[in-house]
Amino acid sequence: DAGVTQSPTHLIKTRGQQVTLRCSPKSGHDTVSWYQQALGQGPQFIFQYYEEEERQRGNFPDRFSGHQFPNYSSELNVNALLLGDSALYLCASSLFEGFGNTIYFGEGSWLTVV
Amino acid sequence: QQQVKQSPQSLIVQKGGISIINCAYENTAFDYFPWYQQFPGKGPALLIAIRPDVSEKKEGRFTISFNKSAKQFSLHIMDSQPGDSATYFCAASMDNDMRFGAGTRLTVKP
Repeated sequence: DAGVTQSPTHLIKTRGQQVTLRCSPKSGHDTVSWYQQALGQGPQFIFQYYEEEERQRGNFPDRFSGHQFPNYSSELNVNALLLGDSALYLCASSLFEGFGNTIYFGEGSWLTVV
Repeated sequence: QQQVKQSPQSLIVQKGGISIINCAYENTAFDYFPWYQQFPGKGPALLIAIRPDVSEKKEGRFTISFNKSAKQFSLHIMDSQPGDSATYFCAASMDNDMRFGAGTRLTVKP
């Protein structure tokens, strides 16, 4: 049973560029959430996708956008990269319906903006 | 807006000792309280979780204590081992929206 998989694991981008990160959820899960984790801090919620729609969004600017595909996989796009966007980007998957749904994280994508 | 407050920021414990990490939340709508363990360079891994209708949950050396009236919950690690050295995050969730504490860096000395 594959867990949450993310790609790429590491990448370096230049300020002003755009980046796309990819995520495949755990088998059987239909909901994907994205988090940003700066060094030494807890994960910060970016947004959540279910049924190919953005369902919830945290306090992140419109430069952060996403997409969910029919197979439940997801992409996170960040435009006009800033130095402050350097962080570990975590994808988490879960089941939308149910009480107290367990959220599983991938290993993350390390983004460095120079 | 920090909805989950975690303390201490760092903790050093001797091997065999008890590690205790505390969290407090604000929103009474939260209905699921997990703890995650994160090693350097890795994503957070679910350690143990509790629902608000239960006051305590134990899995091996890990125990969650939950105080609904005080809006507080804590993680106890019994017989702490050097391999437990990691960063621990508490979280609170409602409707699939999970909010994390700032994390506690635990060091267990041999």
